[in-house]
Amino acid sequence: AQRVTQPEKLLSVFKGAPVELKCNYSYSGSPELFWYVQYSRQRLQLLLRHISRESIKGFTADLNKGETSFHLKKPFAQEEDSAMYYCALGGSQGNLIFGKGTKLSVKP
Amino acid sequence: DSGVTQTPKHLITATGQRVTLRCSPRSGDLSVYWYQQSLDQGLQFLIQYYNGEERAKGNILERFSAQQFPDLHSELNLSSLELGDSALYFCASSAGLRNEKLFFGSGTQLSVL
Repeated sequence: AQRVTQPEKLLSVFKGAPVELKCNYSYSGSPELFWYVQYSRQRLQLLLRHISRESIKGFTADLNKGETSFHLKKPFAQEEDSAMYYCALGGSQGNLIFGKGTKLSVKP
Repeated sequence: DSGVTQTPKHLITATGQRVTLRCSPRSGDLSVYWYQQSLDQGLQFLIQYYNGEERAKGNILERFSAQQFPDLHSELNLSSLELGDSALYFCASSAGLRNEKLFFGSGTQLSVL
């Protein structure tokens, strides 16, 4: 089965603290993984994808095939990082399968 | 603005009715995807069209149907509506056929009363 699990519905941290949003996936082939973000009153948008191995807004994510994980990390959270974060898996049909999302709240 | 346009933004209707949601993709994008977002289920993939052809199907009910027209805009038709169909329906588009960067519309909020 193709599935994405984000175990935390809500993650609350203080400004300047490290943040890690967890994502685990189930997929039999070679996975393509993405993180999407939705800021308040904005559209859902791509944050980063594993094939690019890039850092966007200080966020990074490493694919761990052994643990079937693609956790999103940032060493020092900022208030503007508060948003809804979705992990997504490229499905075998070509569509994206999304997790249920984690709401990140960064307190001042 | 992602360039993906969805109309209407809000729709209120009654059970048993039929509605049509419309999506215009970004200029040049050939793929259109429909997703349903509800509080308990998150973002559920419904269906994908590529250049007018159905390419992938997810958890789309038989009461729901979609199509993509020659000008590449897409419509999602929801019929015999039930209370449980109340949700936010997103359209997204991408340039290619699979696992491309998706650009999302702002969604249509459907309320079935």
